[in-house]
Amino acid sequence: GDSVTQMEGPVTLSEEAFLTINCTYTATGYPSLFWYVQYPGEGLQLLLKATKADDKGSNKGFEATYRKETTSFHLEKGSVQVSDSAVYFCALKVDNDMRFGAGTRLTVKP
Amino acid sequence: NAGVTQTPKFQVLKTGQSMTLQCAQDMNHEYMSWYRQDPGMGLRLIHYSVGAGITDQGEVPNGYNVSRSTTEDFPLRLLSAAPSQTSVYFCASSRQGDNSPLHFGNGTRLTVT
Repeated sequence: GDSVTQMEGPVTLSEEAFLTINCTYTATGYPSLFWYVQYPGEGLQLLLKATKADDKGSNKGFEATYRKETTSFHLEKGSVQVSDSAVYFCALKVDNDMRFGAGTRLTVKP
Repeated sequence: NAGVTQTPKFQVLKTGQSMTLQCAQDMNHEYMSWYRQDPGMGLRLIHYSVGAGITDQGEVPNGYNVSRSTTEDFPLRLLSAAPSQTSVYFCASSRQGDNSPLHFGNGTRLTVT
């Protein structure tokens, strides 16, 4: 079945470092891809999305490109801040079925 | 704009007790769902609904019941709580279709002793 595999954490970076969180997917159809962020004690919030191959989603300095040839949707940010510390989830959606990765915890130290 | 509202935020139950987790959305979304979140396992789908009067099972439905009498509300019932149901529960909603993201509530942290 459809599934998402993302980089296991935790990831610890210094402020202003470059961030990559890897995400690959398996899908029989043509999924839309999403990144969600979860801050402590809160629900998941949509960070960005891409709905077809070669689309780039971006928000708050984060970017991810839908790569059909490598079935990937890696999350990147050029310069992380302490406020980016959170858990990040990659997800795919086909019809109404949304599947999530296990989540990657990011800690950014000043 | 409230979005998705879940109550309660925290709950402690004894084994065998029953309870209902409430979920309401004010975005007129057709699709609603319940997930549980456990450490290292991401989110797993319990039940979902594509409209009033229609519900279906997700990945981990055992021990849970749902109903959808209105578009706005989608309660989750635990009939006889077990320690294995200790988890954080999230309700989510969206418009129908591939491109629509899920909107999440803030979760209910349930402990079963």
